[in-house]
Parts: sequence; structure tokens; C-alpha cells
Amino acid sequence: GAGVSQSPRYKVTKRGQDVTLRCDPISSHATLYWYQQALGQGPEFLTYFNYEAQPDKSGLPSDRFSAERPEGSISTLTIQRTEQRDSAMYRCASSRGLAGYTDTQYFGPGTRLTVL
Amino acid sequence: DAKTTQPPSMDCAEGRAANLPCNHSTISGNEYVYWYRQIHSQGPQYIIHGLKNNETNEMASLIITEDRKSSTLILPHATLRDTAVYYCIVPMDSNYQLIWGAGTKLIIKP
Repeated sequence: GAGVSQSPRYKVTKRGQDVTLRCDPISSHATLYWYQQALGQGPEFLTYFNYEAQPDKSGLPSDRFSAERPEGSISTLTIQRTEQRDSAMYRCASSRGLAGYTDTQYFGPGTRLTVL
Repeated sequence: DAKTTQPPSMDCAEGRAANLPCNHSTISGNEYVYWYRQIHSQGPQYIIHGLKNNETNEMASLIITEDRKSSTLILPHATLRDTAVYYCIVPMDSNYQLIWGAGTKLIIKP
């Protein structure tokens, strides 16, 4: 696609529910990143994929968070048993080369998650 | 991993050059300096990056000091649309994990 897209743009859910966020990166981009961004702060790294491989999950806040990219293109981020502290903007970015090389990241518009 | 220090906010008059400083005194020899900006609630947008030499593109210029401990992003003719938060980032050695600080909120005034 022309740019990184994310869906839904807004998600309101009740505490304890599971949510799944989707990211569609720029086609042919090898690397995909997930970030969490609180209001007034810069994005915080969650995890990344080189194609379908997920070498680093170190930024995921807890085992309630998981991500996958089964075919090396579209990725999903799932949060199980959501808590109010999970409320944030979730951003996806992609880059052309494999992670580890100097490479520009292109960001999507984000999904605003609100947990009531 | 290298950390960066930026002023929390700056003002600049429309049409003037905006000079945004960044300190990265612990940067190592092979670490790049990246600049991104975030306009309102949009996703961050890449501006420019550099290693040792000064760089220029259609958006901005990046001046890196000889000792590489600081840099300055220059927007030559700032417009109201340049109002944004500007992030100076030095990626970890892995070059994929970007550590974002709070950035500099740049306000362009008419």
C-alpha cells in the first residue's frame, strides 16, 4: 500500500475484554514495529518483526500482550484481559530493510485504545 | 545506549530559521543521529539522519559537531505547519530500537 495503515482508529472496550489491533505495513517492507504512546510522551518500543520472525519482545509490558505477523506482512497486536492502564495510542511502523540496519521508520496513524 | 537531551519547548517566528539543538554526549562512533517530528496526534514523521557529516534534504539540514556530542536541526524557513514535537534519537547499538524522549515542542508564531 501507499502507507502504513492501522485499524481500528479508535477502540473503546471494557476492562477484562480482549482487543486485537491490526497493522498493514508498506508493501515489501521487511520490518514492522509496534509502539505504545501515552499522551504527551514519545512512543515506547513494544516489539518488532523481521518478516514473520519476532526477535525482540522485550518491550511488551506483560504476558497479556502478544503480537504476530504470520505471513510476514499484516501484523496484529492482541491485549488480553485489558486493564485501564492499557489505555494509550498504539502505533505501528515499518521499514524497508531488516532491522539492525540504519533505516527510516514509516508510521501509521495509530489506534487510540480506551479501556473503561 | 546513547541518550539525548533536548529543550522541552521553543518558539520561532514564521519565515525565520528554526534551530533545534540536541545533546548526545555519550554517542558512540557508529551510532547515527535521527530526527523525527510529530504533528499533533499524527504518527511520527522521519525528517533526516546523519553520522558525521552535515546533511541536507528537502525538509531540513542537520549539523553535527565534530566531536559528535551534539547536533542541530535547522528548518530554514519555518511555516505554521512546522509546529510539532521534534524528536532527536540515537538508536541503540542494534539500530532498530528507537528510544524516544519527550522531544522539543516547536511553536511557529505568525
